[in-house]
Amino acid sequence: DTAVSQTPKYLVTQMGNDKSIKCEQNLGHDTMYWYKQDSKKFLKIMFSYNNKELIINETVPNRFSPKSPDKAHLNLHINSLELGDSAVYFCASSQVRRGGGADTQYFGPGTRLTVL
Amino acid sequence: SQKIEQNSEALNIQEGKTATLTCNYTNYSPAYLQWYRQDPGRGPVFLLLIRENEKEKRKERLKVTFDTTLKQSLFHITASQPADSATYLCALDEGYGGATNKLIFGTGTLLAVQP
Repeated sequence: DTAVSQTPKYLVTQMGNDKSIKCEQNLGHDTMYWYKQDSKKFLKIMFSYNNKELIINETVPNRFSPKSPDKAHLNLHINSLELGDSAVYFCASSQVRRGGGADTQYFGPGTRLTVL
Repeated sequence: SQKIEQNSEALNIQEGKTATLTCNYTNYSPAYLQWYRQDPGRGPVFLLLIRENEKEKRKERLKVTFDTTLKQSLFHITASQPADSATYLCALDEGYGGATNKLIFGTGTLLAVQP
């Protein structure tokens, strides 16, 4: 069984389009994340949700909007796509420990977004 | 702000040798530090976590050390195998004085184990 799944795996689209990436985790975790990995393989956090509440919101253009319908799902919607948005986007989840501090994060397989 | 430095050059070693990867951070000691493995076209996979009050952690052929004086973590793979070839990422919690659940990742070191 896949722990953290993302769809689609590949996404090729034109500049200016709006697209969504979906993420689901079946681990029962209460925290989910979106990361962006650029062409230099640098992995950077974008957003984090805990029990459907936004808790981390990095300096990301407001064209990016995460949505969490329930704690098992965290989707990423991107408006007006730009060339610089091309990257691999990873969803992840973790269970926040009592007293603070997350343990391990479980990553999805990634979505490779190419903006033409 | 906290920064992580990993050797960006690939590490090539012979099968059977011990691989040692380095992770240095620039600022305050994090509540914990983690190591992940990433294969091409896949998401990172967690390997080990070490907390600031721990000096060393082991799991099978893997060993991680954490030296808060040197601001450094070392990741060792003993008796390395070609299947260990991958990129290894160091990550730490950004929080100061406590964990925040926000991980900062290094750029990773590519390990190539030659048969």
